[in-house]
Amino acid sequence: GAVVSQHPSWVICKSGTSVKIECRSLDFQATTMFWYRQFPKQSLMLMATSNEGSKATYEQGVEKDKFLINHASLTLSTLTVTSAHPEDSSFYICSASRVTQPQHFGDGTRLSIL
Amino acid sequence: AQTVTQSQPEMSVQEAETVTLSCTYDTSESDYYLFWYKQPPSRQMILVIRQEAYKQQNATENRFSVNFQKAAKSFSLKISDSQLGDAAMYFCAYEGGGSEKLVFGKGTKLTVNP
Repeated sequence: GAVVSQHPSWVICKSGTSVKIECRSLDFQATTMFWYRQFPKQSLMLMATSNEGSKATYEQGVEKDKFLINHASLTLSTLTVTSAHPEDSSFYICSASRVTQPQHFGDGTRLSIL
Repeated sequence: AQTVTQSQPEMSVQEAETVTLSCTYDTSESDYYLFWYKQPPSRQMILVIRQEAYKQQNATENRFSVNFQKAAKSFSLKISDSQLGDAAMYFCAYEGGGSEKLVFGKGTKLTVNP
């Protein structure tokens, strides 16, 4: 099956720093990548959708300047949480898909801001 | 807007028994996809099964099968011969209307008792 790699799996950093999370589709070219946030015991909340070479489309309420998304190639998308604060602590999950195929998810990143 | 409802926050089943998880959705589209994803404690999102709305035949993957009732907008998941490894959160999801976005239900936590 399709493999999506997400790195790092867990990161702890100080308040005010920026954190970059990578999402790679290892065995297919993804036309679209998605970024989700998941709070404890809740469902996935879509943050943004990104297509290679174009700007990401953010969901309502998601701060574009806080959560920077770059989709550099058909196999790589990055999410940068800028000037992170404790309220940004969460579980972030990416997924990748291509036309007519289901989304395949990375293993997620647990972000803890001290 | 499309919505997905999972009315059972928690379910439990005895090992080797059968359990059915409920999902209903609301859409005005005629062509769409429905999914069941499994999220074990590791928090990895695993695709369990996918159903295409234009196919009348219910999808099946080994011990997992769905009961897709298009007119009733119902999409339940049946797990046969339940195993301890089936314990997880199960999310029902919808994709349609020309969008690749997934709309998730709130999830059902399945416990498998030995």
